[in-house]
Amino acid sequence: GESVGLHLPTLSVQEGDNSIINCAYSNSASDYFIWYKQESGKGPQFIIDIRSNMDKRQGQRVTVLLNKTVKHLSLQIAATQPGDSAVYFCAENYSGGYQKVTFGIGTKLQVIP
Amino acid sequence: NAGVTQTPKFQVLKTGQSMTLQCAQDMNHNSMYWYRQDPGMGLRLIYYSASEGTTDKGEVPNGYNVSRLNKREFSLRLESAAPSQTSVYFCASSPRTGFQHFGDGTRLSIL
Repeated sequence: GESVGLHLPTLSVQEGDNSIINCAYSNSASDYFIWYKQESGKGPQFIIDIRSNMDKRQGQRVTVLLNKTVKHLSLQIAATQPGDSAVYFCAENYSGGYQKVTFGIGTKLQVIP
Repeated sequence: NAGVTQTPKFQVLKTGQSMTLQCAQDMNHNSMYWYRQDPGMGLRLIYYSASEGTTDKGEVPNGYNVSRLNKREFSLRLESAAPSQTSVYFCASSPRTGFQHFGDGTRLSIL
């Protein structure tokens, strides 16, 4: 079946450095992609999204890049802070019919003070 | 802003017992979802409701039933709990297009 995967299960970065979390997807029909952040004991929280007609989108300290040619998605966090420590999920969404979302297993980001 | 509210937050059951997990959203979203989250397996869809009055099976529906009571509420029922259903359960809602909003989960242990 279709799947969304992450290259790195755990990423450790120094406070103040930039973080890059990668994600591969396999459904070429997916047209909407979302990054979520999940802190311990909480539900996933929306960070940023991007539609397939774009290749880059920026938010506050976060940037999502989409490369449809190689089916790759990345989340860049600038000036990583201790509060960024969490598990990050990418999700792909095929909006044909109902909103079918497939989630990756997550990457744990550890920020070293 | 309440968003998506799940009750209870924690529950311990014995094998064979039944219970209903409650979920309510106050964002006037059409679609609602139930997921389970297990270590190393990510979020897996149990059931979803694309709109009020409709429900459909997701990836792992066996052992569960759902009710879309109205536009706000979507409940998940375990008729005869099994240890394999020990998990963290998340409810989510979304507009017809756009990202899903999640509750903070129900941590369910079945002994």
